[in-house]
Amino acid sequence: SQQGEEDPQALSIQEGENATMNCSYKTSINNLQWYRQNSGRGLVHLILIRSNEREKHSGRLRVTLDTSKKSSSLLITASRAADTASYFCATDVNAGNNRKLIWGLGTSLAVNP
Amino acid sequence: EAGVTQSPTHLIKTRGQQATLRCSPISGHTSVYWYQQALGLGLQFLLWYDEGEERNRGNFPPRFSGRQFPNYSSELNVNALELEDSALYLCASSLGGNSNQPQHFGDGTRLSIL
Repeated sequence: SQQGEEDPQALSIQEGENATMNCSYKTSINNLQWYRQNSGRGLVHLILIRSNEREKHSGRLRVTLDTSKKSSSLLITASRAADTASYFCATDVNAGNNRKLIWGLGTSLAVNP
Repeated sequence: EAGVTQSPTHLIKTRGQQATLRCSPISGHTSVYWYQQALGLGLQFLLWYDEGEERNRGNFPPRFSGRQFPNYSSELNVNALELEDSALYLCASSLGGNSNQPQHFGDGTRLSIL
């Protein structure tokens, strides 16, 4: 498996329900970021959580980070049809003298009205 | 504030041809990143430019190249196009190369190889 692996690959829920997506990674990270991609469009940054943080909120979004388990979760509460999109996690890791983002394959979320 | 803009929106080429994709970052952003997203797959990192220099390169053959201009806009060139180069090419920009800064994406150029 690769760094920044999301699960589930696909998730289908009803409007108003909560959606939880998970991201696992292998190596130590500087931070972990969540992005959303609507079909055929570019990605939109949602939340960045640093390695020394455990939880962050932004509106209906809640991100947790467990560095001991090398995993993160993204919770979307009270989902809406407009939340239908693919969600990607990206891990910021050291790479030689630089840092780089490693992207997962994403979770495809469908919110049914 | 204008977002990241990419051109063209769509590009159709045949095998063996060369393609040039363009990206204008958000004003004030000095870092530009290029990604390839094949259908149904995640993002594959191609190139990172900052302050006019190539800072990092993904695992792609040398026929993928690019440059960053003094105004921080960037070009991605793909030579000797192959069928598997068909993908959405995304450009992103950020304030410097610090990964604590989120990346802002354009809507991409969809490259189709016939």
